[in-house]
Amino acid sequence: SYELTQPPSVSVSPGQTASITCSGDKLGDKYVFWYQQKPGQSPVLVIYQDGKRPSGIPERFSGSNSGNTATLTISGTQAMDEADYFCQAWDSSLVVFGGGTKLTVL
Amino acid sequence: QVQLVQSAAEVKKPGASVKVSCKASGFTFTSYDFNWVRQATGQGLEWMGWMNPNSGNTAYAQNFQGRVTMTRNTSISTAYMELSSLRSEDTAVYYCARVQIGSRSHGMDVWGQGTTVTVSS
Repeated sequence: SYELTQPPSVSVSPGQTASITCSGDKLGDKYVFWYQQKPGQSPVLVIYQDGKRPSGIPERFSGSNSGNTATLTISGTQAMDEADYFCQAWDSSLVVFGGGTKLTVL
Repeated sequence: QVQLVQSAAEVKKPGASVKVSCKASGFTFTSYDFNWVRQATGQGLEWMGWMNPNSGNTAYAQNFQGRVTMTRNTSISTAYMELSSLRSEDTAVYYCARVQIGSRSHGMDVWGQGTTVTVSS
């Protein structure tokens, strides 16, 4: 079965750029989606089709996908961005999630 | 407004079944597929399957094959997920989430608030 791998944790200082990776075999051939989840809340879609932002998502969120790695980038990270982030892709008709990355802003 | 409202928390005994509902409002129910995703405390997101509300077609994750059934009632814009033969490891928050129907290029853009299912003797 298809697998997506994320680092368990990433730390960033306020105002700096955070990068969260998601790796999978030939992932660049698939669309990647990113979700943000804060404690006690439902996930929120922050990136779709590798790098597009849904309405209401700040411009500081961006994404890319090439080769075997997709990257979620948060520019000018704010304290409110501290959360868990999950990548997701489709493997044929099945959904696959990465294990999640805890982003700490300190 | 666009929302998915899920049923209340459930407590079940091992071996029992649970049926969680997900009522859609603010959009056309039959224009979206409905996914079910669960999350155990402190763990990641685990996809369970999706259902096309027009055809009733489903696709289930291998881990849940034979134990999960996804259905719908289009007259009341509600999707259902039933999980049988419950065990303690099924204790989790269960979410429904919509995806533009038939699309592999749109993400899960609206999620329910989650339903906590606790399996305990």
